[in-house]
Amino acid sequence: GEDVEQSLFLSVREGDSSVINCTYTDSSSTYLYWYKQEPGAGLQLLTYIFSNMDMKQDQRLTVLLNKKDKHLSLRIADTQTGDSAIYFCAETTTDSWGKLQFGAGTQVVVTP
Amino acid sequence: DTAVSQTPKYLVTQMGNDKSIKCEQNLGHDTMYWYKQDSKKFLKIMFSYNNKELIINETVPNRFSPKSPDKAHLNLHINSLELGDSAVYFCASSQDGGDNSPLHFGNGTRLTVT
Repeated sequence: GEDVEQSLFLSVREGDSSVINCTYTDSSSTYLYWYKQEPGAGLQLLTYIFSNMDMKQDQRLTVLLNKKDKHLSLRIADTQTGDSAIYFCAETTTDSWGKLQFGAGTQVVVTP
Repeated sequence: DTAVSQTPKYLVTQMGNDKSIKCEQNLGHDTMYWYKQDSKKFLKIMFSYNNKELIINETVPNRFSPKSPDKAHLNLHINSLELGDSAVYFCASSQDGGDNSPLHFGNGTRLTVT
């Protein structure tokens, strides 16, 4: 079945770049998403990319997609303490009616 | 002006009780969802509704019954609560359920069954 995997933990110093990686197995994935969850809060949509694209940039966020290797990454430039959170990647397919397959989440801790 | 709001935020109850969680979205979306996040933060879809019609029921026990009185509301009723039901339940909505229609999540309801 479908599977989305992420590394569980990332520690980064304030001001450095963070790179969060994700791999997926479903070759019929059409859209891939990144969500951010702060403690006690819901999931905030950060960005998403269509599977035919290989890169998308949105301010400090850069998404890279290697469809051949089924590898997705999220780069956060100039990481701030407010970026400390759990980051989830998720994938979906055509006709899935909003059924997102989530990874287990990467806990990002930003240290001063 | 909250987009997706769910109540209550916290719910503590005993085994065997029946409880409901309410969800409302003011985004004008056609599709609404319930997702469950377990203690390991893993998220899994439970139900999706499009224009009040059930689209996805992801092998959820019959004790869970969603109800959509209109397309802006999707409530979740849970009968005979069990310890294993303890989790955070997230409501979400999207424009039309299409794969390029991002989900917008509420802030979650933390259910604790004792």
